[in-house]
Amino acid sequence: AQSVTQLGSHVSVSEGALVLLRCNYSSSVPPYLFWYVQYPNQGLQLLLKYTSAATLVKGINGFEAEFKKSETSFHLTKPSAHMSDAAEYFCAVSVASPGSARQLTFGSGTQLTVLP
Amino acid sequence: DTGVSQDPRHKITKRGQNVTFRCDPISEHNRLYWYRQTLGQGPEFLTYFQNEAQLEKSRLLSDRFSAERPKGSFSTLEIQRTEQGDSAMYLCASSFPDRGNEKLFFGSGTQLSVL
Repeated sequence: AQSVTQLGSHVSVSEGALVLLRCNYSSSVPPYLFWYVQYPNQGLQLLLKYTSAATLVKGINGFEAEFKKSETSFHLTKPSAHMSDAAEYFCAVSVASPGSARQLTFGSGTQLTVLP
Repeated sequence: DTGVSQDPRHKITKRGQNVTFRCDPISEHNRLYWYRQTLGQGPEFLTYFQNEAQLEKSRLLSDRFSAERPKGSFSTLEIQRTEQGDSAMYLCASSFPDRGNEKLFFGSGTQLSVL
């Protein structure tokens, strides 16, 4: 079975500062990894996904994540935070086929606050 | 593309009552998923349809829960004899696998409160 651990349920950064949201996974087979964002009163939106191609994945809104097998990590970063980045972020893992969103297991989420 | 629509947005019910939620997926999407999200947790998979066929069900989906997608379009999720532990956000998502590249589109959810 696969699982995801997100370190830090709340992260605060100043506007313009680096955003780093941590995600570690556990999987007995090569995983497919995802980051989703949830804005208040909205559904989840896919930011980016890793499907065993390039280990550095670029997503929407300037976010990127790097898959590190040796560390079983898939941390999300953004060089410069914007006020509009304030939201809840979820890391997810799947062991289904790379194109499939089935069997997604989500982490418990990290609430990002951006301070002016 | 009008997005995934869920109704109602909020539902308050008394313990023991039955409730039904509706999800209208994006029109050309043939896959539909139900997830449950409790406070402070990430979404948990409940069940999945491809067209009208229910192909997977999580162990979380007890006998009190039933989901249907009769014509392969909208779906309903019914909870019978609700319990306080059923209080959660129920999320619906839909997708259309495109050459093996599946992307989920989520609705805004139905927030259920069982008193």
